[in-house]
Amino acid sequence: QSALTQPPSASGSPGQSVTISCTGTTSDVGTYNYVFWYQQHPGKAPKLIIYDVTQRPSGVPDRFSGSKSGNTASLTVSGLQAEDEAYYHCSSYAGSNNLIFGGGTKLTVL
Amino acid sequence: QGQLVESGGGVVQPGRSLRLSCGVPRFTFGYSAIHWVRQAPGKGLEWVAVLSYDGSSEYYADSVKGRFTVSRDTSTNTLFLHMNSLRDEDTAVYYCATDVRSYCTGCKYWGQGTLVTVSS
Repeated sequence: QSALTQPPSASGSPGQSVTISCTGTTSDVGTYNYVFWYQQHPGKAPKLIIYDVTQRPSGVPDRFSGSKSGNTASLTVSGLQAEDEAYYHCSSYAGSNNLIFGGGTKLTVL
Repeated sequence: QGQLVESGGGVVQPGRSLRLSCGVPRFTFGYSAIHWVRQAPGKGLEWVAVLSYDGSSEYYADSVKGRFTVSRDTSTNTLFLHMNSLRDEDTAVYYCATDVRSYCTGCKYWGQGTLVTVSS
């Protein structure tokens, strides 16, 4: 099963908003509402920032939001801050107790 | 809270075996499904395997099926990843992570990772 498709890079200036897409198929993103987003700073472990498409874990700023339309999920980071510069990964449940990840997107704060 | 701790990584020759360990917090062991996820150098995350909350079921990515096995020790709240017939492409940082739920949906708490290098 192929990985979910994410753009390799995204960028925005402080205070702006940026949206990162995560495209799958009807076998994963399009069928299940188990889309998760993770933030990963270089050399660090991933951190969950969005689960179940739109839900934020406790402690995650509301500047981070998620959505889904068809086979594509999206992560929007509003009011960009310097500390938001990191890699962002999406995952989706893919049936049969399997998960699938995207290739990751490097977000640069200009 | 939710801190997982992996260990057991190192340098191993192709074809050999290695066992990774993951210490899981008591409050989540036996309640959450637990995943192994890996990240090759400079690459994205790749799901490897999941063990159900009660240890009764395990599922694997096609890339490791038949070579890797997940098990657990309930007396020490430890998860294991037994890796056999290792290949160059298994070189990666291996993370264990608890699921949000008792079944497979996605990863919540992550360990710091342990590096496995397969090289002759």
